[in-house]
Amino acid sequence: DIVMTQSPDSLAVSLGERATINCKSSQSVFYTSNNKNYLAWYQQKPGQPPKLLIYWASTRESGVPDRFSGSGSGTDFTLTISSLQAEDVAVYYCQQYDSTPFTFGPGTKVDIK
Amino acid sequence: QVQLQESGPGLVKPSGTLSLTCTVSGTSTSSYYWNWIRQPPGKGLEWIGYIYYSGSTNYNPSLKSRVTISLDRSKNQFSLDLRSVTAADTAVYYCARSGDSSNSRYNVYWGQGTLVAVSS
Repeated sequence: DIVMTQSPDSLAVSLGERATINCKSSQSVFYTSNNKNYLAWYQQKPGQPPKLLIYWASTRESGVPDRFSGSGSGTDFTLTISSLQAEDVAVYYCQQYDSTPFTFGPGTKVDIK
Repeated sequence: QVQLQESGPGLVKPSGTLSLTCTVSGTSTSSYYWNWIRQPPGKGLEWIGYIYYSGSTNYNPSLKSRVTISLDRSKNQFSLDLRSVTAADTAVYYCARSGDSSNSRYNVYWGQGTLVAVSS
């Protein structure tokens, strides 16, 4: 199985400041055949299902604000919230969909400082 | 718009079978991957498995001996059976749909989730 790790476990950021979450996979999720990283990011607010933010490591899902961006390749990835808003308080998960079993990171909780 | 809705008992006895159905609207089950994912209270997400529209399945090896996912295209539904449950199977169970292409196995649409408790 591909093991996903995230750091930090939690972070508190002032409104309008940048939040950065890291995700690492135990093996590469990059496919040279199509030049894609099989990595997604989700946002989960309390009592709600996860919401897809980013797929292919850096493609923003339709309707997701452009303050959310994804980067990285191979085994190391980053989700950046460029200017934190109050509604961004949530837990963020990365997931690899390169090989089954699909696996999620343990989550990073983002709060307001 | 695409909607998924889980349904089934909220309480299952130990050693029994957890059975859930996901009813899909706004999209056809004649395409896509259809997933089940669970989340124990206060914990992270675990992928249970998927069924492809063709009927092929893929399960998490940690659950494979106890899981069956099936698809009823005529009803636009898919289902989860998890046998021999224990308290460790207590979780919110989500159904979810993949992206548009055969490579796009991330989850675009999710149900609201249903809490299933295993207890006598």
